[in-house]
Amino acid sequence: DAMVIQNPRYQVTQFGKPVTLSCSQTLNHNVMYWYQQKSSQAPKLLFHYYDKDFNNEADTPDNFQSRRPNTSFCFLDIRSPGLGDAAMYLCATSGHSLDRGKFAYEQYFGPGTRLTVT
Amino acid sequence: QKEVEQNSGPLSVPEGAIASLNCTYSDRVSQSFFWYRQYSGKSPELIMSIYSNGDKEDGRFTAQLNKASQYVSLLIRDSQPSDSATYLCAVKVGRDDKIIFGKGTRLHILP
Repeated sequence: DAMVIQNPRYQVTQFGKPVTLSCSQTLNHNVMYWYQQKSSQAPKLLFHYYDKDFNNEADTPDNFQSRRPNTSFCFLDIRSPGLGDAAMYLCATSGHSLDRGKFAYEQYFGPGTRLTVT
Repeated sequence: QKEVEQNSGPLSVPEGAIASLNCTYSDRVSQSFFWYRQYSGKSPELIMSIYSNGDKEDGRFTAQLNKASQYVSLLIRDSQPSDSATYLCAVKVGRDDKIIFGKGTRLHILP
C-alpha cells in the first residue's frame, strides 16, 4: 500500500544533542511537510517542500532545518534540542489526485515521531 | 491572520446518536476544506474533504459547507465508541500549498 513512513517512531535525545528524524513516501507526491504537534494543540507547520523548493514558515526557529534529497525522502534536523522541542513530529505529503485530474491538497500523514528531550 | 476556529469540547454524544462538529474560518477565498480524525497519541487521519457548497456524504460521515457563512461542519451518524477522538478542521488558504488546522474538537461517545 502507498504510504508515508516515519522513523524512528520514538526518539529520546539529550538536551543540546543533534537529532535527525526521517520521512519517506511511496505516494510519489511532490509536496512534503513537517509539522510539530504538542499536546492538545493543532499541528504547527515548520516547513514544506514543493518538489525541491524549500518553504520555511516565518516563525520556525533556526534550530530546525530540513533536507529533501529526492522525491521520496525528507529529513528534519534539530541542531540543539531544548526541552521545549519535545513534541510529536509529523510528516505529511500531498500531490496530484488521479480522481480529480488535478492537484489535490489533501494531506496524508505518517505515524509521527515522538521526541523526548532529557 | 487567517484562522480556523473550533469548539475544543469535549462534546459528549450517546452511542447511536448524531454527532455534530462545527468549524468557522476567516479567509473568504478558501476553496478546500478537510476533516481529520486524531486518536490520542496517533497522527491525523483524513476522513473527509469538501470543495463545493452543500453536503458530501461518505458512509456515516457527512461534511457540510457554506462558503457564504464561512462555515463547515461534520456530522457522524450512528456514533460508535470508536468515533471517540479529536476532530481537526483544516482549510487551504490562498495560493499556497499548505493548510491551516483548527485546534480540534474532542468527541466522546458515551456507551
